[in-house]
Amino acid sequence: QEKVQQSPESLIVPEGAMVSLNCSFSDSASQSIWWYQQHPGKGPKALISIFSNGNKKEGRLTVYLNRASLHVSLHIKDSQPSDSAVYLCAVSMPDTGANTGKLTFGHGTILRVHP
Amino acid sequence: AQTIHQWPVAEIKAVGSPLSLGCTIKGKSSPNLYWYWQATGGTLQQLFYSITVGQVESVVQLNLSASRPKDDQFILSTEKLLLSHSGFYLCAWSLRSGQNTLYFGAGTRLSVL
Repeated sequence: QEKVQQSPESLIVPEGAMVSLNCSFSDSASQSIWWYQQHPGKGPKALISIFSNGNKKEGRLTVYLNRASLHVSLHIKDSQPSDSAVYLCAVSMPDTGANTGKLTFGHGTILRVHP
Repeated sequence: AQTIHQWPVAEIKAVGSPLSLGCTIKGKSSPNLYWYWQATGGTLQQLFYSITVGQVESVVQLNLSASRPKDDQFILSTEKLLLSHSGFYLCAWSLRSGQNTLYFGAGTRLSVL
């Protein structure tokens, strides 16, 4: 069964800092990897996803995937207080049968950006 | 634009009482629908999924059931709540095929006492 580990558990940074979040997964057959943002008491919101080895950039977000090491990272440039939230890494398996729409989530990283 | 609405926002229920949570998706025809659950301090885990009206598949056995009576509606229920049912319940949708993004509702906070 897929396992997703995130680090660090929590992070406090000043406004404007670069934030780096890490995620390791266990199954080499994993398909896409998503990063979700979740504010307290709210549903997760998808930020960015990656399927192929390498990196992908969208606005202030950059995600790096290394399939050989089963590792993915999310980097947030010029962090803002509004970025304060829980960041969840989620991994999908081939979309068949019981894996339909199934994302395996990590426990998340709590990010606080102080002004 | 697609919208997803969950109800109620929060529930406080007694052990052994029945439960019904609902979810409606507007602006998207024939989506895949999902129920996810997040125990306090735990990770999000998928409970059920549905790819069409009237068809629901169970992923995790938690003494809960789900139904999809209409294309845009997904219901989660049980006749007897357990303490272990407490947590945050999230409905989500995705496009029909492929590795598509899951879009989550705002969730229902359930406390079983």
